[in-house]
Amino acid sequence: QVQLQESGPGLVKPSETLSLNCAVSGYSISSGYCWGWIRQPPGKGLEWIGSICQSGRTYYYPSLKSRVTISVDTSKNQFSLKLGSLTAADTAVYYCARQASQAGTTEWGTFDPWGQGTLVTVSS
Amino acid sequence: QSVLTQSPSVSGAPGQRVTISCTGSSSNIGAGYDVHWYQQLPGTAPKLLIYGTYNRPSGVPDRFSGSKSGTSASLAITGLQAEDEADYYCQSYDSSLGWVFGGGTKLTVL
Repeated sequence: QVQLQESGPGLVKPSETLSLNCAVSGYSISSGYCWGWIRQPPGKGLEWIGSICQSGRTYYYPSLKSRVTISVDTSKNQFSLKLGSLTAADTAVYYCARQASQAGTTEWGTFDPWGQGTLVTVSS
Repeated sequence: QSVLTQSPSVSGAPGQRVTISCTGSSSNIGAGYDVHWYQQLPGTAPKLLIYGTYNRPSGVPDRFSGSKSGTSASLAITGLQAEDEADYYCQSYDSSLGWVFGGGTKLTVL
């Protein structure tokens, strides 16, 4: 059974950089799929942040691209998110998820499974 | 504003049928990209409910079904049950933006 678990600080100051990790168990992160980050501001909807795929190629949501870096650490079987120049608008629950990567299949792009999420508050 | 538009809320009595719509444009749903649906129960992470517009993952009851026409997609739930009360999100691919979600629809079971 594939499981994902986010970890990182719950409180970050404005203008600083957020660093989150997602530990994957039950599946080797280098075996395939893309691995993504999605966030959900309190009381609001879901927003895709970006994904990293088996090839090492990264894909980011355009409005966040200048502030985001996603990377993989295969030795720890985890992937990470860095989001810089934080403002209060970045306050959200951050989820990591496995993403189906085979274009042309009905599953392409689905996020499954998800981690439980971690609340990050940006405040001084 | 979300790229995919969903009605904020929908409600129905137990046993009834409800539909949740997801309206996009020619750069996403209308371009032929599949639509996926997620169910988010209160206080939990989203769970994949429908993939590839029409397909149910193993374990999802056949009371849930998906469809698509033009630039819109729909999720239908028949035989509504109290446990279906949740937020529902559609997702598709946009040729300019990448992966996009709808704003979500809150389903209330009366």
